[in-house]
Amino acid sequence: KAGVTQTPRYLIKTRGQQVTLSCSPISGHRSVSWYQQTPGQGLQFLFEYFSETQRNKGNFPGRFSGRQFSNSRSEMNVSTLELGDSALYLCASSLDRTGGTGELFFGEGSRLTVL
Amino acid sequence: TQLLEQSPQFLSIQEGENLTVYCNSSSVFSSLQWYRQEPGEGPVLLVTVVTGGEVKKLKRLTFQFGDARKDSSLHITAAQPGDTGLYLCAGEEVQGAQKLVFGQGTRLTINP
Repeated sequence: KAGVTQTPRYLIKTRGQQVTLSCSPISGHRSVSWYQQTPGQGLQFLFEYFSETQRNKGNFPGRFSGRQFSNSRSEMNVSTLELGDSALYLCASSLDRTGGTGELFFGEGSRLTVL
Repeated sequence: TQLLEQSPQFLSIQEGENLTVYCNSSSVFSSLQWYRQEPGEGPVLLVTVVTGGEVKKLKRLTFQFGDARKDSSLHITAAQPGDTGLYLCAGEEVQGAQKLVFGQGTRLTINP
């Protein structure tokens, strides 16, 4: 079956702009999580969506937002970009996290560079 | 948020050597996962350990969950160049939001 698909793979923006990243989960997966990966901080949890509702949220400013659609596809948006937002943004889907341990299936990521 | 610390952060060894990567926390996790990430790709799950003291083997890789479920280790026997990559441990919080907390990773390089 098809894996997690993230678009775009690479993008370059300038400070102050906004960006929208897209994630299509594995078919049948209802949970989508977003992570920011940087060399200095590792993987930092942004948020998780399940059945169109944000179920968990990490410690990021309000400039970072997301949503999930009825087909489980998810988007995340970053407004008023800062240089420090340059990172690899990873999306991961899973069947259902309500039962606890669940394997995350990651996409290849969207590499954002802010100039 | 519970924190996970991995050590070492970087490790470069020769093919055939053994190595151990550690993942430590002062907090208890309900489960712990290990992922491997290769350049240009997302992390891929290697194993999940759930029970304190649990040991799982995946070919030359041995994973152990600490008795108190606060730490874990990954041991690789006779490392191969194909083992090169970023190894990440991730713990599932016991209380509150059920999200995975990731360690910073161990970048492993196996030299032929």
